[in-house]
Amino acid sequence: ETGVTQTPRHLVMGMTNKKSLKCEQHLGHNAMYWYKQSAKKPLELMFVYSLEERVENNSVPSRFSPECPNSSHLFLHLHTLQPEDSALYLCASSQELEAGGGDTQYFGPGTRLTVL
Amino acid sequence: TQLLEQSPQFLSIQEGENLTVYCNSSSVFSSLQWYRQEPGEGPVLLVTVVTGGEVKKLKRLTFQFGDARKDSSLHITAAQPGDTGLYLCAGAWADRGSTLGRLYFGRGTQLTVWP
Repeated sequence: ETGVTQTPRHLVMGMTNKKSLKCEQHLGHNAMYWYKQSAKKPLELMFVYSLEERVENNSVPSRFSPECPNSSHLFLHLHTLQPEDSALYLCASSQELEAGGGDTQYFGPGTRLTVL
Repeated sequence: TQLLEQSPQFLSIQEGENLTVYCNSSSVFSSLQWYRQEPGEGPVLLVTVVTGGEVKKLKRLTFQFGDARKDSSLHITAAQPGDTGLYLCAGAWADRGSTLGRLYFGRGTQLTVWP
């Protein structure tokens, strides 16, 4: 496998369920990201991990819980979600540059989540 | 207030036509990236522009970064149905500080090219 992969591609869950989204990158990058993409809204950055350490958390509700066990894997644990959480959840990775600015991010295909 | 404004929001044209989409901001970026996203898929990087005034060509696509590094444009020559998709621009801050790896995305331009 190459690039960034995400599983599952589609997920339907009830508000009381617990599920997890998985992302794996095969690019040797040292930073990984979770984004939320809703209809008619720009991509919203949720979490950033650099060298497996969370470095940014953009006021995301606690019902979303990220986990980065190593530099190749990223999870998003979901529990007691709301219907408005239905969206495309995208994972991305990049190689962080010491010089700063403009890390090119490579995206996975996303997980289409529907919360009933 | 949207940091990056993309226009037009929607564009529907016939195969063979030329088009330009724009990405504008009042902020200065250290670099700007263009992505194309197809339905049900993640964004795919097309190009990264770094230097003010830079022009990059990718087959029928021409990307330009403004001299002041605040805006960018994407021009497509002789559009084809395969060009259909959501075109997103994303800017990275010149001064990163604590915003490690932070990209600011526009809402995108939805392009449809009819055969």
